[in-house]
Amino acid sequence: DTQLTQSPSTLSASVGDRVTITCRATENINNFLAWYQQKPGKAPKLLIYRASPLESGVPSRFSGSGSGTEFTLTISSLQPDDFATYYCQQYNRYSFYSFGQGTKVEIK
Amino acid sequence: QVQLQESGPGLVKPSGTLSLTCDVSGDSISRNKWWAWVRQPPGKGLEWIGEIHHSGRANYNTSLKSRATISVDSFKNQFSLQLSSVIAADTAVYYCASQLFGDGKYAYDIWGQGTMVTVSS
Repeated sequence: DTQLTQSPSTLSASVGDRVTITCRATENINNFLAWYQQKPGKAPKLLIYRASPLESGVPSRFSGSGSGTEFTLTISSLQPDDFATYYCQQYNRYSFYSFGQGTKVEIK
Repeated sequence: QVQLQESGPGLVKPSGTLSLTCDVSGDSISRNKWWAWVRQPPGKGLEWIGEIHHSGRANYNTSLKSRATISVDSFKNQFSLQLSSVIAADTAVYYCASQLFGDGKYAYDIWGQGTMVTVSS
């Protein structure tokens, strides 16, 4: 099965910082990679699908890139509402879906 | 506005069967969508359980070793999860979610609020 590894596991940052989270897959998943944001006690919220397109309503400070086995989620200028845990999720036609272990973005 | 709402027992005994339902409002279960279950143990990450299309086609996480069964009830506009032979490690918040079949996103854009299920005697 395809495994996803996110780094870092925890990230301390300040409002206004540029933040980058990496997600690596154990095999080529082309661009079948999504990013979610989750706040405590809430369901995940889709931010980015197919590695880079933004879901409707998601602020443009979020961006995604990558293909194959390495992907990044970037927040260009961290806002107070962005402190949360972020998950990547992959799709492949054999084992279908799996998630990374998560990256918690906390206040520095 | 499409909404998903999970319901079911909050406590299940070990070796029993966990049964949850997701009510769909603002949309038809017979629409061309995948209807899915995802779970999250306390303090841990997300785990995909499986998904179903109203046609009956279903995909599952093989790590659950065939314990999971997802079904659709078109009359009640809901879909369900049954997880058999549960153990303490099945304790989690269970989410239902959906995505449009064939939209190319391969990601779930609508989620329920989640329901906590504890496996304990």
